Amino acid sequence: GAGVSQSPSNKVTEKGKDVELRCDPISGHTALYWYRQSLGQGLEFLIYFQGNSAPDKSGLPSDRFSAERTGGSVSTLTIQRTQQEDSAVYLCASSYGQSEKLFFGSGTQLSVL
Amino acid sequence: KQEVTQIPAALSVPEGENLVLNCSFTDSAIYNLQWFRQDPGKGLTSLLLIQSSQREQTSGRLNASLDKSSGRSTLYIAASQPGDSATYLCATNSGGYQKVTFGIGTKLQVIP
Repeated sequence: GAGVSQSPSNKVTEKGKDVELRCDPISGHTALYWYRQSLGQGLEFLIYFQGNSAPDKSGLPSDRFSAERTGGSVSTLTIQRTQQEDSAVYLCASSYGQSEKLFFGSGTQLSVL
Repeated sequence: KQEVTQIPAALSVPEGENLVLNCSFTDSAIYNLQWFRQDPGKGLTSLLLIQSSQREQTSGRLNASLDKSSGRSTLYIAASQPGDSATYLCATNSGGYQKVTFGIGTKLQVIP
């Protein structure tokens, strides 16, 4: 596609429910990042995929968070048993390689009630 | 652990003024530094990327410089316009896993 696509753009859920966030990177980009941005905070690194290598999950805040990337393309970030502190904007970015320019999607605004 | 700081947190200037945004980082072993723009409710748009071997990059009215030895970068905006109003973030790419570390950003308001 022309850019990084994220869906849904907004998600409202009840505490305790599971949610799935989707990221469709730019075609041909091998690196994919997930970030979380809370109000008034900087971007918090969550997870990084590079080609077929094992992902760097060091930023995931708890075992309720998981992510996968199928076929080196689309990625899904799953949050189980959501909590109110999970409310934030979840941003996905991709790049051609590890040291190349990052292209961001518009993000998913997650609100946990 | 890399730390990226941006000062000031907010800046308000009249239209037409030239301005400088500052970014500092603690670990000079970086691959590159990138400046982004974020509009309210939107994702980040890349403005300029400076590789570690470069000193500056220019795009239109924007000029970004990099001084690795002092751990600093500046983004210069010439002849500011109201459409430049946004939050500007800098980010370094460093370390074994190529993680990108962001500053919190400088919120710029250009007053017509």
